[in-house]
Amino acid sequence: SQTIHQWPATLVQPVGSPLSLECTVEGTSNPNLYWYRQAAGRGLQLLFYSVGIGQISSEVPQNLSASRPQDRQFILSSKKLLLSDSGFYLCAWREGLSAGELFFGEGSRLTVL
Amino acid sequence: DQQVKQNSPSLSVQEGRISILNCDYTNSMFDYFLWYKKYPAEGPTFLISISSIKDKNEDGRFTVFLNKSAKHLSLHIVPSQPGDSAVYFCAASPQGGSEKLVFGKGTKLTVNP
Repeated sequence: SQTIHQWPATLVQPVGSPLSLECTVEGTSNPNLYWYRQAAGRGLQLLFYSVGIGQISSEVPQNLSASRPQDRQFILSSKKLLLSDSGFYLCAWREGLSAGELFFGEGSRLTVL
Repeated sequence: DQQVKQNSPSLSVQEGRISILNCDYTNSMFDYFLWYKKYPAEGPTFLISISSIKDKNEDGRFTVFLNKSAKHLSLHIVPSQPGDSAVYFCAASPQGGSEKLVFGKGTKLTVNP
């Protein structure tokens, strides 16, 4: 069966520090991978998605970047965090070329102080 | 531009009664719709979906209704249980499948014992 894991679960970082959130998927090949952010009153906002290794699409201009160095690994990064980067970050996957549902990871709570 | 709208940020119902969560969309290209349930500090979990060729889909206590002409869908939970208390997100996907799901802002459902 397929599983998705993301870490760390919680993170408290000072403004200006770097960020790295990692997500891996097991039990499937060539999934579509996604990073979402849930901020207060904003619902689930799509940040990045990837349909293959090295292929990243950005949905909103921001202080963050994403990379997909391996088929089932998706990384969310920042060189210098802003206060506005605080939120709950969710990694998700979906079968490639499918209109089906997304499967989400457990989430990572980022607090920037 | 909010393509999927959940206009009620919260809803409170008594245990055993019906919960009705509403969702409106603006993009006529959407043809696949999903509902997700989210508990605090966890990733959303898939609940039920419906494609545009149907107007109703039922799974146990959960039924989703789609009114394409009104660009409206609703989720009915009957009977409501305290464990149903969570945030419910409506999501939509364009025709032919897509890399992206567009989410609403969510409705927080509270079921009182």
